[in-house]
Order: sequence, then C-alpha cells, then structure tokens
Amino acid sequence: DAGVIQSPRHEVTEMGQEVTLRCKPISGHNSLFWYRQTMMRGLELLIYFNNNVPIDDSGMPEDRFSAKMPNASFSTLKIQPSEPRDSAVYFCASRGQGADEQYFGPGTRLTVT
Amino acid sequence: GENVEQHPSTLSVQEGDSAVIKCTYSDSASNYFPWYKQELGKGPQLIIDIRSNVGEKKDQRIAVTLNKTAKHFSLHITETQPEDSAVYFCAASNQAGTALIFGKGTTLSVSS
Repeated sequence: DAGVIQSPRHEVTEMGQEVTLRCKPISGHNSLFWYRQTMMRGLELLIYFNNNVPIDDSGMPEDRFSAKMPNASFSTLKIQPSEPRDSAVYFCASRGQGADEQYFGPGTRLTVT
Repeated sequence: GENVEQHPSTLSVQEGDSAVIKCTYSDSASNYFPWYKQELGKGPQLIIDIRSNVGEKKDQRIAVTLNKTAKHFSLHITETQPEDSAVYFCAASNQAGTALIFGKGTTLSVSS
C-alpha cells in the first residue's frame, strides 16, 4: 500500500520564481495537512483540508503561499514569488476519517537562492 | 493555543541503555499524543501514540506514559540499538482535535 507521495523531492529555484509542490494522500484518507520544517521553527502546520475543503489556513505565512485540493487524491502548495526565507522541507500528511493518526510523506526540500 | 515543550534537545546513550524523552503541553483539552521518529532525509514516522483515557502504552521496546494532571508525557526506549538513532518528536492535538502541535525534537544518538 503506497504511503503519502510528494513531488518533487528536491527543488532549487531562484528568488522570485513560482514554486509548486505536490501531494497525493493515502487512498481513502479524507484529511490532508501541509507542514513546513526548519531548524529554527521546527515542524509548523501551514494548512489543513478536510474532505477537500480548507479548514484552517492560519499557519500560512503570507499571501505568497496558497494551497488547493481539487480532489481527494491531489493537493498543491504554491509559493509565488518565492524568497530565500522560504527554504525549508515541506511535508504533506494525511489522516483517515475518524482517526487521529497522521501519516507523513517523504517531504520536498526547497532551496530558494 | 497549544504549546508543546520537549526535553532534552540531544541525548547520547550507549547501546543497551534506556532513553527517556519528556514533553509537556499547555492545553488541558488535548487528548491525543503521538510520537514520531524522523531519520535523515525522511518524513516523520509514527512510532507510538497514546490517548488521554490511558496512562501507559507499550509496544516492544517502546513505551509512552501520560500524566494528564501534570500535563506531561514521556517516551521510553529500552535496550537501545544503533538503529534507534534519529530525531524524535512529540506532539499534542490542538483544542479542536483537528491538528497536531509538535515539540522541537530530540536528537538521539546510540553508540555501539
């Protein structure tokens, strides 16, 4: 059974460019989470979807960040324009209905130069 | 909102020794407390969790204890092995039970 799938695994881009990160949750899961991990701030929740609807986006740092979930099997996190301080590892996690356990993907390491 | 403190930030033990990592949380409404293990270059992996109606849970060499009154919970690893070396994160559910708030992590090094 495939776990959470993220792409790309690594992304290097220049400041000002648009970046799109992708996530495929575990089949059958109805909640999806985007996290950002940095040395300084640890693991931070950016946004949480339930049944494809954004429920809590209070962790999204600013308007440059946006996330969508067009269907139950796909989500994107977009940064436009990107800045060097956006460099981090971005994780997607999913959770089954009525469950507490969250399962993480392998992450996307983003470097903005 | 919920705040989770984790100690120590680094822990070095000899193979075969026990390791204990402690976390405290602030929101008495939190009712779910998972522990994750993260190896280099990988995503966090759920290793054990505990709910507020239970005081202790064990899975082979790993155990977690919860003290709701004091609002703290701990991870215990017995008979540590080099492959236990990783970063361990504790977490607590937020008040709505919709998301997890993570501690800053503990880097565990097990030397043989």
